[in-house]
Amino acid sequence: EVQLVESGGGLVQPGGSLKLSCAASGFTFSGSAMHWVRQASGKGLEWVGRIRSKANSYATAYAASVKGRFTISRDDSKNTAYLQMNSLKTEDTAVYYCTRPVAGNWGQGTLVTVSS
Amino acid sequence: DIVMTQTPLSLSVTPGQPASISCKSSQSLLHSDGKTYLYWYLQKPGQPPQLLIYEVSNRFSGVPDRFSGSGSGTDFTLKISRVEAEDVGVYYCMQSIQLPYTFGQGTKLEIK
Repeated sequence: EVQLVESGGGLVQPGGSLKLSCAASGFTFSGSAMHWVRQASGKGLEWVGRIRSKANSYATAYAASVKGRFTISRDDSKNTAYLQMNSLKTEDTAVYYCTRPVAGNWGQGTLVTVSS
Repeated sequence: DIVMTQTPLSLSVTPGQPASISCKSSQSLLHSDGKTYLYWYLQKPGQPPQLLIYEVSNRFSGVPDRFSGSGSGTDFTLKISRVEAEDVGVYYCMQSIQLPYTFGQGTKLEIK
């Protein structure tokens, strides 16, 4: 059974940093691209970014709204993906999901609140 | 970026009646590999999205056959043949042919 478990969410002040983790199991993590999608309360889904596999040079891509502030990385030895979020803004407040969207795999999400 | 436009934004349906949601993309989702990268999700209250349909018309594992997808190019439709109470939630279409992946605004389905 595929499982994606996010952790690391919490309350952070504007301008602060937070690092989310996504622990994966039940599939060949090292061969899979991993994505992050977020959802502000009562709003729709917004793609944040993705990291491809080693075979694809760990290529990353980001939404314009987070480019230059967020960094996605992975540790294939730990079957874990990460989302490093810097220079956080109040508009980054959302539930962050780790996902393989086209495979239908989603975690339960972790809430990030950016507030003073 | 590819813009995904869903209509209607809300739907109230009597159990046992059909429902239909439209999704239009600003660019064709047909890839040179012959596949069309359009997906449908349902997000039930308090849950992550769950995949219903992949590549326009393929039902994901475990999805009831009352759900069907159709369309091509830039125009797509999700149909529920007979709505059940468990179908309430927000339906999203998503494209994955081009980065950034983009979602429709969502269509909220309620039961009358």
